[in-house]
Order: sequence, then structure tokens, then C-alpha cells
Amino acid sequence: EIVLTQSPATLSLSPGDRATLSCRASQSVRYYLAWYQQKPGLAPRLLIYDASNRAIGIPARFSGSGSGTDFTLTISSLEAEDFAVYYCQHHNKSPPWTFGQGTKVEF
Amino acid sequence: EVQLVESGGGLIQPGGSLRLSCAASGFTISNNYMSWVRQAPGKGLEWVSVIYSGGQTDYIESVRGRFTISRDTSKNTVSLQMTSLRAEDTAVYYCARDSSYAVLGWGQGTLVVISS
Repeated sequence: EIVLTQSPATLSLSPGDRATLSCRASQSVRYYLAWYQQKPGLAPRLLIYDASNRAIGIPARFSGSGSGTDFTLTISSLEAEDFAVYYCQHHNKSPPWTFGQGTKVEF
Repeated sequence: EVQLVESGGGLIQPGGSLRLSCAASGFTISNNYMSWVRQAPGKGLEWVSVIYSGGQTDYIESVRGRFTISRDTSKNTVSLQMTSLRAEDTAVYYCARDSSYAVLGWGQGTLVVISS
């Protein structure tokens, strides 16, 4: 089973700041890495797939990069609605398609 | 509009069984991977099971042999039959429209509580 480790656990920032979230895989997942945003009481929402492709309707301030074992989600300038928990997940080869433990972006 | 609506959650005693259902609309489940993902209270997301477009299935190790995912293409629904339930299965269970590269859409979730 591939383990995804996200860092930091919590990111304390202000609106307008740049947010950099990390996801490290225990073995290569090639580029099969997705990022999701989850707000309290709601289901997650897909932000990025295949490491760097924005999902439909996702603002350009969200960007993803990386391949192999090291991946980054960047929010270029935080807006109020971006304060949430962010998860990475791999879809490499066979399941289980594990998630990271999450990074909370808080104000 | 693509929509997923889960039902069937509730409070059940340890060792009991429960069947979750997911009604899909706006797309055809047999053309997609369909997964279940769960989230224990205050915890992160955990992928549980998938049924591929071809009908094959897969599970996380901790539920293999206890949970069964299935689909009814005539009703465009996906189900998760859960048996021998344990306290650690307590979670919100999300039905998900999955793919080979990411979860594309999620239901609102249904809460399953295992407690005596």
C-alpha cells in the first residue's frame, strides 16, 4: 500500500498569502496524483488531477506540480473561501487509492 | 446535472449488517468507476471499495470479505453491503463517481454509527 504523507498538518495564513502544500508518496505514483478541497460538513471537491491539471471550474490561483514521489499544491493568493482542508490521493495502478492525512489551511 | 444521493446509513450494533445505496443521475454508472470513500468523525478520507466499468471489484484490506460493492445498471444505483460491522467502521460513507485518475464527483454522504 502506498502511503501519502502531507505537510504541514496545519498552515496558518492570511487572505492574499501564498499557500504551499506538500504531498510525499512512499513510492512512485508517476503523475497519478489528485488534490481535493473539503470544507466543514461538505463532501470533498476535486481541484487538481494528474498532478497538474485543474478540474473544471477551478480558479487559476490553484496549481499543482510534481511527479514520482513529491508533489505540491500551490494557492497563489488565498481568498476567504480557500480556508479548508486539502487532501491528496493517488490513482496509480491498482487500489487501494490512498489519501494523505490532510492539510488544514486556517486563517 | 450529475448527482449522487446516498441512503441507508444509521445506528447498528457491532456484528450487525447494513446496506448502503447510491442513486446516480446525469450519467451512466456502467460507463464509470464507482467507489465508496469513508470519513471517520474528525478524521481524514479513506478509500474503501471500487466497482469498475467492467464490473470487477476491489476493496481496502480491512473490509475485504466483510463488504460487498455491487451495482444495478437498470436502476443506475450502486450499493455497499456491509457485514460483521465493527466500531472502527463508524464513518460518513460517500458514494463517488471515480475514474482512472481521480474522484470526479461525490454524494453528500450517509452516516454509519456502530455502537452498542
